[in-house]
Amino acid sequence: EVQLVESGGGLVQPGRSLKLSCAASGFTFSNYYMAWVRQAPTKGLEWVASITNSGGSTYYRDSVKGRFTISRDNAKSTLYLQMDSLRSEDTATYYCTRETVAADYFDYWGQGVMVTVSS
Amino acid sequence: IQLTQSPSLLSASVGDRVTLSCKGSQNINNYLAWYQQKLGEAPKLLIYNTNSLQTGIPSRFSGSGSGTDYTLTISSLQPEDVATYFCYQYNNGLTFGSGTKLEIK
Repeated sequence: EVQLVESGGGLVQPGRSLKLSCAASGFTFSNYYMAWVRQAPTKGLEWVASITNSGGSTYYRDSVKGRFTISRDNAKSTLYLQMDSLRSEDTATYYCTRETVAADYFDYWGQGVMVTVSS
Repeated sequence: IQLTQSPSLLSASVGDRVTLSCKGSQNINNYLAWYQQKLGEAPKLLIYNTNSLQTGIPSRFSGSGSGTDYTLTISSLQPEDVATYFCYQYNNGLTFGSGTKLEIK
């Protein structure tokens, strides 16, 4: 059974940093692209960042470029999101997702972790 | 590509045939998926590549469309289908629609 379990969320002041983790199990992690998708309170879904299966290439939405870094440790089957210079508009539930082999849609999602940016 | 979903809120009766719409600002080339999100839960993949049913999803869900216009149909609405439904395109960039909230009348 595929499982994605996020951790590391919480309350953080604007301008500070936070690192999210996602522990994956039930599939061969190193075979799949992975991504983070977020959802602001009572809002829609927004793709944040993706990483190739080897970790050699990364992709970001414009609003987080230069502030967020997606990475992975295939030996530990873990995905990360380092978030720096956080802003109030980054407040959201962050979901760890698996991208399918064939195309850029997400077939499995974690339960999500809340990040609140507020002073 | 921007996605516009309609209606934003849909109220229907159990057993009804329900149709949700998703319109792209450009051609999506059938690279469209649908997700169901129940209150307090993570989204779940229902349909991918416009009309392919994800494993384990009931056959009352179906997708169709082409070009810029796509549809999710529930052939016979069930109480457990109460949720918000999002369309998602992966043809040019990665974007979600704003969602259609489906409730039981």
